[in-house]
Amino acid sequence: DAGVIQSPRHEVTEMGQEVTLRCKLISGHNSLFWYRQTMMRGLELLIYFNNNVPIDDSGMPEDRFSAKMPNASFSTLKIQPSEPRDSAVYFCASSPLGGPINIQYFGAGTRLSVL
Amino acid sequence: QKEVEQNSGPLSVPEGAIASLNCTYSDRGSQSFFWYRQYSGKSPELIMSIYSNGDKEDGRFTAQLNKASQYVSLLIRDSQPSDSATYLCAVGLGNNRLAFGKGNQVVVIP
Repeated sequence: DAGVIQSPRHEVTEMGQEVTLRCKLISGHNSLFWYRQTMMRGLELLIYFNNNVPIDDSGMPEDRFSAKMPNASFSTLKIQPSEPRDSAVYFCASSPLGGPINIQYFGAGTRLSVL
Repeated sequence: QKEVEQNSGPLSVPEGAIASLNCTYSDRGSQSFFWYRQYSGKSPELIMSIYSNGDKEDGRFTAQLNKASQYVSLLIRDSQPSDSATYLCAVGLGNNRLAFGKGNQVVVIP
């Protein structure tokens, strides 16, 4: 079975540019989580969806960040405009609602560098 | 108070020894607990889950849970160089989400 698929794996962009990160859930999973990881702050939950519905976006740092689930298997995280402090590794994870409690499976991550 | 705390600094253990990692959590209602392993430059990988008090063993890994003390631990027996990684403690919260600790780095010295 394919795991959680993220693209791109690496993104280098200049300050002020729009960045779009993509995530495809594991087939049959219906919870989707976006995380950001830095050395200073560890793994932070940005937003999560259950059955395509955003449940909690309190972790989204600013209005520059937005996330969508246009369908049950795909999500995007957009940063517009990007800033150097957004440089981090962004992970998405999926989980089956109703399956083993809370288990999450992570994608390989997108390493974002904003110059 | 942080939801999940892992306070120990980097842990260096000789090959073949036992590595012991600890984690405390704040939500008394939590019912699910996990250890993830993360190699440098890679994503977190689930290695253990535990839901009830006591010990759970899987190969060289043992997870221990004490809900009264709000304490979870991970023991790695017969540590191997391939166990060198950062270990993240995660605690289940409402709405299917997890709270993660900042992780403990383990270095196994051959």
